[in-house]
Amino acid sequence: EVQLVESGGGLVQPGRSLKLSCVASGFTFNNYWMTWIRQAPGKGLEWVASITNTGGSSYYPDSVKGRFTISRDDAKRTLYLQMNSLRSEDTATYYCTRGSGRVSPYVMDAWGQGASVTVSS
Amino acid sequence: DIVMTQGALPNPVPSGESASITCQSSKSLLHSNDKTYLNWYLQRPGQSPQLLIYWLSTRASGVSDRFSGSGSGTDFTLKISSVEAEDVGVYYCQQFLEYPTFGGGTKLELK
Repeated sequence: EVQLVESGGGLVQPGRSLKLSCVASGFTFNNYWMTWIRQAPGKGLEWVASITNTGGSSYYPDSVKGRFTISRDDAKRTLYLQMNSLRSEDTATYYCTRGSGRVSPYVMDAWGQGASVTVSS
Repeated sequence: DIVMTQGALPNPVPSGESASITCQSSKSLLHSNDKTYLNWYLQRPGQSPQLLIYWLSTRASGVSDRFSGSGSGTDFTLKISSVEAEDVGVYYCQQFLEYPTFGGGTKLELK
């Protein structure tokens, strides 16, 4: 069974940093692109970051570019999201997702339960 | 960025009736390979989203055949035939022709 388990969420002050982790199981981790998606309270879904299966390339929207860094440790089967210079608008539940290997990396066919991040003073 | 716009449902939907959810994109999602880069997800109350349909009309593994996707270019529809209690939640369309963007969501409530 495919499982993605996020951790590392919490309350953080504006301007500070936080690092999320996502441990994967039930599939060959290094065969898949991985993506972080976030959802602000009561709002819709927003793409945050993606990383290739090799870890050689990563992609971000303008809203987080230069502040967030996605990375992976295939030996630990773990995906990370380093979030710096956090703003109140970064408050959201962050989902770790797997890109469908045979369709497209941006077809998210498995989702974690989410990690809640609140940015507030 | 490609903007995705979803329509609302005339909630609540009577159990056993069909429901159609619309989604519009600001740019055609038809790729040169003749595939349409449009997905649908369902987020049940208190749960994470799950993939329902990809490439416009292909159901994901384990998804009921009561769900069907259709449309072309910039206008798309997710049809749910014979709505059941387990279908309640928020439905999102998503394009992946470019970096992914999602519609604002359409809530389905059951009568």
